[in-house]
This record gives sequence, C-alpha cells and structure tokens, in this order.
Amino acid sequence: NAGVTQTPKFRVLKTGQSMTLLCAQDMNHEYMYWYRQDPGMGLRLIHYSVGEGTTAKGEVPDGYNVSRLKKQNFLLGLESAAPSQTSVYFCASSSGQPGGYEQYFGPGTRLTVT
Amino acid sequence: AQSVTQLDSHVSVSEGTPVLLRCNYSSSYSPSLFWYVQHPNKGLQLLLKYTSAATLVKGINGFEAEFKKSETSFHLTKPSAHMSDAAEYFCVSSLGTGRRALTFGSGTRLQVQP
Repeated sequence: NAGVTQTPKFRVLKTGQSMTLLCAQDMNHEYMYWYRQDPGMGLRLIHYSVGEGTTAKGEVPDGYNVSRLKKQNFLLGLESAAPSQTSVYFCASSSGQPGGYEQYFGPGTRLTVT
Repeated sequence: AQSVTQLDSHVSVSEGTPVLLRCNYSSSYSPSLFWYVQHPNKGLQLLLKYTSAATLVKGINGFEAEFKKSETSFHLTKPSAHMSDAAEYFCVSSLGTGRRALTFGSGTRLQVQP
C-alpha cells in the first residue's frame, strides 16, 4: 500500500515548455486534489476531482489543466510554463465520506521554471 | 464560512519538555478537524483527526488533541518533545461540503532544542 505517489520528484523547465505531473493513489479514493505550496502563502488548491472523469477549478487554476481518466490517477499539466509557476506541487486524495474528510498527501514535486 | 487560526507562528521547546501548539477554529457548525505535520522538504502527514466521536483524540508519535467546543479550540499536545518532532504543524478543518475542501491554518514551526 503505497498511498499517494507523485512523479517526478524534481523538474527544471525553461519558460514556455510544457510538462505533466502524475499523481497515483491506491486507496480507491473518489476525491483527488492538486495544490501548490509557496513560502508565506501556504497550500493553495489548483484543481480537484470528485470522481473519475470529473474535474473542477480550485482557487488558482490559471495556467494549469488536469485530467482524471482513471480513478486512481490525476494528472496536472502545464501547457506553457512561466517562472511564476516555480513551486512545490502536492497531490492529495480523500474518500470524501462522512468521517473520512481527511486528505492524504503525496511527497511533492519541486518544479523550477527558468 | 470557516477559518482556522494558529496562535503561534513559532514555538521553541527543549527536548523532553511538553509541547503545546494552539489552534482555534471558527465555523457556523462543528467541522472535522485535523493536525498535519510537514518535515522539511517532505509532504504533509496526518497526525490525528477529530470527527465528533470523542473529544480527546490520540494520534501518531505520542501526539494528542482535545476538541473544546465552548472554547472553539483544538490544541495539539505531546508530553515530551523529541528532536525528530521539529517540523511545521498545520491545524486544518473541513465542513465536508461540496468538494470537501480543507481550510488550513497558517502553520506553527516547532523547534526542539537539545
């Protein structure tokens, strides 16, 4: 039982390049989330999904896209990276059921855009 | 609307002495409450959760928290600090509605002196 895994762990991009971050969970959770964490700003929700095939915008969605083609996977895409997207990205999942609103986080992806 | 206030941004204790990290919540009704820990360059790990079953909640690594509705508090305690407890701690709430969003406190950095 690996929980929530993220690939890659580190990435350096040049401005304008694209990339996809992969999140996988093996807990059969319906809800999945992408956050970014920046110094002094805490965790901010980028996009989320309440089930396979569904996605929705969070607080800071601009410049990102997501897909949830399989229940266990949640992909975050950057189509044209900008230096402002330099951050640490965390994926999380939750059952979303009463008594189970806690989210389980992955280890993070540290992204630098030059 | 809900909010979470962590009353101390930094707490410093000596190894072997008690730890107290303070958290107050604001909500129109009782939320689910959590404490997470984040060690440097790591993801967030769930320490414990309160979901109305019992007001005193025991978590991992000897931590516990008490839900006090009259004081709208959910303080985190540990009888004896260990060097490995040095980390950032987040008090978090969820109303369990809609996207099951988490509301994060601003964090408390715990330093443990030898």
